Amino acid sequence: DAKTTQPPSMDCAEGRAANLPCNHSTISGNEYVYWYRQIHSQGPQYIIHGLKNNETNEMASLIITEDRKSSTLILPHATLRDTAVYYCIVRLSNNYGQNFVFGPGTRLSVLP
Amino acid sequence: ETGVTQSPTHLIKTRGQQVTLRCSSQSGHNTVSWYQQALGQGPQFIFQYYREEENGRGNFPPRFSGLQFPNYSSELNVNALELDDSALYLCASRHPGLAGVSGANVLTFGAGSRLTVL
Repeated sequence: DAKTTQPPSMDCAEGRAANLPCNHSTISGNEYVYWYRQIHSQGPQYIIHGLKNNETNEMASLIITEDRKSSTLILPHATLRDTAVYYCIVRLSNNYGQNFVFGPGTRLSVLP
Repeated sequence: ETGVTQSPTHLIKTRGQQVTLRCSSQSGHNTVSWYQQALGQGPQFIFQYYREEENGRGNFPPRFSGLQFPNYSSELNVNALELDDSALYLCASRHPGLAGVSGANVLTFGAGSRLTVL
């Protein structure tokens, strides 16, 4: 079973920030938070990951609460091409045998 | 880097048949994993191969089997197909040098092979 819970769907206006929440209350101290997204008819695409500090890259920002029990993925200026299913996953960083456990994710619809 | 490519992109089989799906991993990636994604659900882990050996398996029966070749390409074989095997099958590869560096454990996925079992 997935260790995360996410809202099933969200809408966001084009050009506005999209804030996607994720709860991971049972996360252990050495588990990272990963975000992937899946655009229709494509494979999942890596977005960002983090342990306890906030992270930013060219795609998004990741805000992790101090207790690490939840996080938020921020797409600062959503475009129509950001419409996708977004998956939040927690796992160990270097355990080759441990798979990624995907939940149902959040379906983000960016509206014109 | 050429990305992860999968073939075929779509195929239709009948119940009881066998199918082989193929994956060409991203250059330098020596770990490959396969996922099954039913319609409307997240991907479910089938198994993983590292240096041609299976080193992790999800809750899938033995009729799901795989191979990884010295050039790191791989195959997923499914015998005795059932209607519930209809799904998108995703291959993902990982670069050996990224793991452990700032927690990087990034999978690169292919676009998948969509299997329909009638």
